[in-house]
Amino acid sequence: QVELQESGPGLVKPSETLSLICTVSGGPINNYYWSWIRQPPGKGLEWIGYISDSGRTNYNPSLQSRVSISVDMSKSQFSLKVRSVTAADTAMYYCVRGREATTIYSAFGIWGQGTMGTVSS
Amino acid sequence: DIQMTQSPSSLSASVGDRVTITCQASQDISNFLNWYHQKPGKAPKLLIYVASSLETGVPSRFSGSGSGTHFTFTISSLQPEDIGTYYCQQYDNLPLTFGGGTKVEI
Repeated sequence: QVELQESGPGLVKPSETLSLICTVSGGPINNYYWSWIRQPPGKGLEWIGYISDSGRTNYNPSLQSRVSISVDMSKSQFSLKVRSVTAADTAMYYCVRGREATTIYSAFGIWGQGTMGTVSS
Repeated sequence: DIQMTQSPSSLSASVGDRVTITCQASQDISNFLNWYHQKPGKAPKLLIYVASSLETGVPSRFSGSGSGTHFTFTISSLQPEDIGTYYCQQYDNLPLTFGGGTKVEI
C-alpha cells in the first residue's frame, strides 16, 4: 500500500526558508497529483498547493508569492519550500495524494503522518 | 475563494447518539464535497467523497448527503472511537478549501 513520509528540519529561523520532503513508497508517483496541506497548532487545515507528475503546479493565492513545490520522479519524492517564514508559518505540514489518478479534482485519499515546522529564533 | 462554513463548531453527545454536522458553501459546488475525520495527534482520514460515497473500509454508520451549497454529515450511532474533529472540503474550484471543523466529544 502507498505510504507517504514527510521529512525536514523541525526548526527554522524567521525570514529563512522552510524546506520539506515527502517520500512516496509502495506505489507510483506518476499519474497522481501531490499536495501539501498545513495545520497551525489548534487550528484548521489549509491547502498550500499541488504538483503533478509532469511538474505542473498550482498554489494557494494566500501563499503563492512565498512557496514552491517540486518533484523528483527518480527518487519518488516531492518537496515544499516556504520562503521568508514568520511565526505564522508554524504548523504541522502534511503531504497528501489525491484519491483518484490524473486529476487534482479528487479527495485527499492518502496522507502522510505530518511533520512539525516551527519558526523561532 | 469558496468559503466553507461548518456548524456546530463543537458538540458533545453520548455513545449511540445520532450526530449531524452541516457544511455550507459560499457558492454552488455541485457535489464536489468531501468529509474527513481527524483524531487527536493524527493526520486526517477520508470518510466520504463526492458528498455521499463511503470510502473503502469506512464503517457504514457514517453517511453524507447534499448538493449545491448545503451538505450534511451524519453518524448514525456514535462510538467512542469517533471522537475528534470533522472537516468538510470542497474541490469544485481552486484553491481547495476546508471548513473550520467540528469537534466531537463524548
